[in-house]
Amino acid sequence: AQSVTQLDSHVSVSEGTPVLLRCNYSSSYSPSLFWYVQHPNKGLQLLLKYTSAATLVKGINGFEAEFKKSETSFHLTKPSAHMSDAAEYFCVVSDRTGGSYIPTFGRGTSLIVHP
Amino acid sequence: ETGVTQTPRHLVMGMTNKKSLKCEQHLGHNAMYWYKQSAKKPLELMFVYSLEERVENNSVPSRFSPECPNSSHLFLHLHTLQPEDSALYLCASSQDPPSGGPTDTQYFGPGTRLTVL
Repeated sequence: AQSVTQLDSHVSVSEGTPVLLRCNYSSSYSPSLFWYVQHPNKGLQLLLKYTSAATLVKGINGFEAEFKKSETSFHLTKPSAHMSDAAEYFCVVSDRTGGSYIPTFGRGTSLIVHP
Repeated sequence: ETGVTQTPRHLVMGMTNKKSLKCEQHLGHNAMYWYKQSAKKPLELMFVYSLEERVENNSVPSRFSPECPNSSHLFLHLHTLQPEDSALYLCASSQDPPSGGPTDTQYFGPGTRLTVL
């Protein structure tokens, strides 16, 4: 069985400072990992994904994440936060169950950016 | 904007009503999903259809009934709902890969905000 743990329900940063959103996963096989962002009253949008290629994945809006198999982690980072980054972020693990891929979402981390 | 549309965007219904949510994807994908997003709770996967066949049903109450007539359309039929069913219902689609391939990105619609009185 697969699972995802987002270690922080809220992260608060000042504009211009680094962002770290933590995600740990468990999976029986070689999973695919994703980060999605959800702005208020909107659907989810893909930030980046890992699918067994390079372990450092670059996404949109300056975000990146590093897959660390030994630590079963896939933390999301950004060097400098912008006010528009304030949103809910979801880490997702997807593994093959039977004949199809079934995604499992983390509980989400709310990113708050102060001016 | 995504290639997944959902209608209606907002819905208010009484507990005795019957209504349906509609999702349409214009991306040529072969898998579609219904999620429930409630305040203070994780995103809940309700149903998964791959190649128009249901492959996952996470013990969702029978008052929710999905229908996938073709690979582009997905419905969620609602009847005799409870106030705790009030939530944002999200539809998503993806391209289910061949056996052994990595999974692909899910594309989400904007959601239907459902309020049950």
